[in-house]
Amino acid sequence: EDQVTQSPEALRLQEGESSSLNCSYTVSGLRGLFWYRQDPGKGPEFLFTLYSAGEEKEKERLKATLTKKESFLHITAPKPEDSATYLCAVQGPAGGYNKLIFGAGTRLAVHP
Amino acid sequence: DAGVIQSPRHEVTEMGQEVTLRCKPISGHNSLFWYRQTMMRGLELLIYFNNNVPIDDSGMPEDRFSAKMPNASFSTLKIQPSEPRDSAVYFCASRQGGNQPQHFGDGTRLSIL
Repeated sequence: EDQVTQSPEALRLQEGESSSLNCSYTVSGLRGLFWYRQDPGKGPEFLFTLYSAGEEKEKERLKATLTKKESFLHITAPKPEDSATYLCAVQGPAGGYNKLIFGAGTRLAVHP
Repeated sequence: DAGVIQSPRHEVTEMGQEVTLRCKPISGHNSLFWYRQTMMRGLELLIYFNNNVPIDDSGMPEDRFSAKMPNASFSTLKIQPSEPRDSAVYFCASRQGGNQPQHFGDGTRLSIL
């Protein structure tokens, strides 16, 4: 069964304190790993898609990486506006290109 | 471009009433998804459509839930009769193609009293 586990559940950082969020997955034949950001009262906002081990994507202070078992979302010198819940999701052959399996998310709080 | 539009944003109703949630996907997207988000179970896929046709409704919790997509620009999720355990945030998402990311609306927060 396809499964996604995110850690930590919650993370508190000081502004400028870099860190990483983890997404471990079990899927028979990955067809894409997706990172989303969700703000309170809003829907998930798409950040990145990764398809194969070794792939990396960057956007401002965020960098996503992928191995055969996990993905990391690195946050460099975070700012308070980076505070949000970060969700990881995988797409595997069980649902073809149609079903995303989401992790429970990491709640990030960045304090000035 | 306008994103996925959902209405209403909030709905409070009494147990037993019919509830209809609405979604307008992004123009040009050919897949539409309905999700439910709760603290206990996170984001769960309820049903998805490709080219207006329901493909997989295995996530629909029970027969009280139904979804339709009469055309490419509109979908509804209906709960009849509603129960307190249906209280959750319901999201609609749309996607342009097979390996493209899904884009979400801002959800409907549903409270069943």
